[in-house]
Amino acid sequence: EAGVAQSPRYKIIEKRQSVAFWCNPISGHATLYWYQQILGQGPKLLIQFQNNGVVDDSQLPKDRFSAERLKGVDSTLKIQPAKLEDSAVYLCASSLVSMTGVSGNTIYFGEGSWLTVV
Amino acid sequence: GENVEQHPSTLSVQEGDSAVIKCTYSDSASNYFPWYKQELGKRPQLIIDIRSNVGEKKDQRIAVTLNKTAKHFSLHITETQPEDSAVYFCAALRGKLIFGQGTELSVKP
Repeated sequence: EAGVAQSPRYKIIEKRQSVAFWCNPISGHATLYWYQQILGQGPKLLIQFQNNGVVDDSQLPKDRFSAERLKGVDSTLKIQPAKLEDSAVYLCASSLVSMTGVSGNTIYFGEGSWLTVV
Repeated sequence: GENVEQHPSTLSVQEGDSAVIKCTYSDSASNYFPWYKQELGKRPQLIIDIRSNVGEKKDQRIAVTLNKTAKHFSLHITETQPEDSAVYFCAALRGKLIFGQGTELSVKP
């Protein structure tokens, strides 16, 4: 079974520049997540989609971050303009159904997109 | 919202010894508690999970226990091996999955 695909794997940009990350979830998975993982910390949920609708984006810095999931499959996460503190790994994940209200459904992570802002 | 505290932040054991990692959560309505293993530069991978209606679950050398009254759950690894060395994350689900800060486990041969 193919896993969650992400690209690019690595990106170095200067502050105030923009960057976009792409994610293709596991086939058939309705729910897609973007997590931010700063070095030495646990993943933090940025946004959660159920099909192409947003379920939770309470932790997304909306002044600079945006995400979309057109057609309910692939997703892109954009940062514009980037700040030094955005340096992190951006993990995309997917699950078969939404975990909201469901007592457990495995989340599968991609390998992540490593962002360094200089 | 939910808050998950994980201890210790680092743990070093000798090969063959047991390792225990503990997590506490704040929201009594959380109902699902997975554990992920993350090797350096790799994705987090689910190693075991437990639902709120179960007190203990075991899978070979790995076990998880849940105390709903005290709002804490623990990961137990027995007969540790060098390949168990990694960062382990606990998480709790209350609408969304909240992760602990991670425990770096080092198993010395």
